[in-house]
Amino acid sequence: AQSVTQLGSHVSVSEGALVLLRCNYSSSVPPYLFWYVQYPNQGLQLLLKYTTGATLVKGINGFEAEFKKSETSFHLTKPSAHMSDAAEYFCAVTGRSYNTDKLIFGTGTRLQVFP
Amino acid sequence: ETGVTQTPRHLVMGMTNKKSLKCEQHLGHNAMYWYKQSAKKPLELMFVYSLEERVENNSVPSRFSPECPNSSHLFLHLHTLQPEDSALYLCASSQEPHGSRGPLYFGPGTRLTVT
Repeated sequence: AQSVTQLGSHVSVSEGALVLLRCNYSSSVPPYLFWYVQYPNQGLQLLLKYTTGATLVKGINGFEAEFKKSETSFHLTKPSAHMSDAAEYFCAVTGRSYNTDKLIFGTGTRLQVFP
Repeated sequence: ETGVTQTPRHLVMGMTNKKSLKCEQHLGHNAMYWYKQSAKKPLELMFVYSLEERVENNSVPSRFSPECPNSSHLFLHLHTLQPEDSALYLCASSQEPHGSRGPLYFGPGTRLTVT
């Protein structure tokens, strides 16, 4: 079974500052990991995903995340925040059996960006 | 993003009404999903259809009734809802069930208010 925890339901940063959104997972098998973003009045959109291979994954809009097996983490970062990054971000995990493993979402982190 | 569309975008209904939510995907995917998104709660998976066959029903009350007439369309029929059913209902699709080998593509959602 898989689970995911997002630390901090709200994160506020200044424009130009580093963005760090935390995600820790629990999985009995090697996981697939995802970050989704939800802008106001829209559905969720995939930012990036980790399946196998390189542990540093680059996504859209300058975001990246690093899979750290020893820390069971998949934190999302962006070097310099932009006002347009204000949104809610969801971490998600699933196992590798698409017949039985479910995609589990975290509770989300709302990112505010101040000028 | 117009890959997954949902109508209506907003719906207000009384507890004795019957209404339906519609979802259409233009991506050629084989799996479709209904999710419920409530404030401060993780995304709740309600139903999964794979190749028009319901493969998952996560203990959803019978006042929610899904229908998948073909691989491109998904409906959620609503009747005698309760105020706690007020939420954002998201439709999603993926090439394979649960998105374990590919992303979920979400629609913009229907904001449902039950009075």
